[in-house]
Amino acid sequence: DAGVTQSPTHLIKTRGQQVTLRCSPKSGHDTVSWYQQALGQGPQFIFQYYEEEERQRGNFPDRFSGHQFPNYSSELNVNALLLGDSALYLCASSERLAGGEETQYFGPGTRLLVL
Amino acid sequence: GQQVMQIPQYQHVQEGEDFTTYCNSSTTLSNIQWYKQRPGGHPVFLIQLVKSGEVKKQKRLTFQFGEAKKNSSLHITATQTTDVGTYFCALTLKTSYDKVIFGPGTSLSVIP
Repeated sequence: DAGVTQSPTHLIKTRGQQVTLRCSPKSGHDTVSWYQQALGQGPQFIFQYYEEEERQRGNFPDRFSGHQFPNYSSELNVNALLLGDSALYLCASSERLAGGEETQYFGPGTRLLVL
Repeated sequence: GQQVMQIPQYQHVQEGEDFTTYCNSSTTLSNIQWYKQRPGGHPVFLIQLVKSGEVKKQKRLTFQFGEAKKNSSLHITATQTTDVGTYFCALTLKTSYDKVIFGPGTSLSVIP
């Protein structure tokens, strides 16, 4: 049973470009969350997708958008890249249990460098 | 907005010594989660605490949730080099759909 997978593992872009990151959730998980983790900091919540819709969003500009597909996989798109977008982008999948508990499983991340 | 603090930011211990990290929130929480992230790795879920005053143990790790559900602690007994990493607490906002907010983390170094 594969865990959460992300692609690519590393990416180098220049300012102004656009990037698409991909995530496949853990088998059986229907919810995908995206996080940005700058060096030396904790992950910052970008948004969460459930049933192909964005249902919760953090404090990120509209340059950050996403999509969830019928098979629950997800994409994160960032337009007009800035140097400050350089970070580790983490995808986490989860499944809400009957008791309300929800455990997130993180993928290995995509390390984005913007030059 | 919601604030979550963790102390200390860094901790260096001799192998065999104990280690504790504290997580504090400005508001009452529905639950709190703890994650460990090894250098160069990704966060790995350790545990979730839900009940006021709850204490859970995982081998040498002891997790506590405060009575007021505003703070939590993670204590490691007799640290080992495998404990090296950054420990994050993460809290869930009680909104229509849960949004997880991570603390800044405590980075643990263990000197052999």
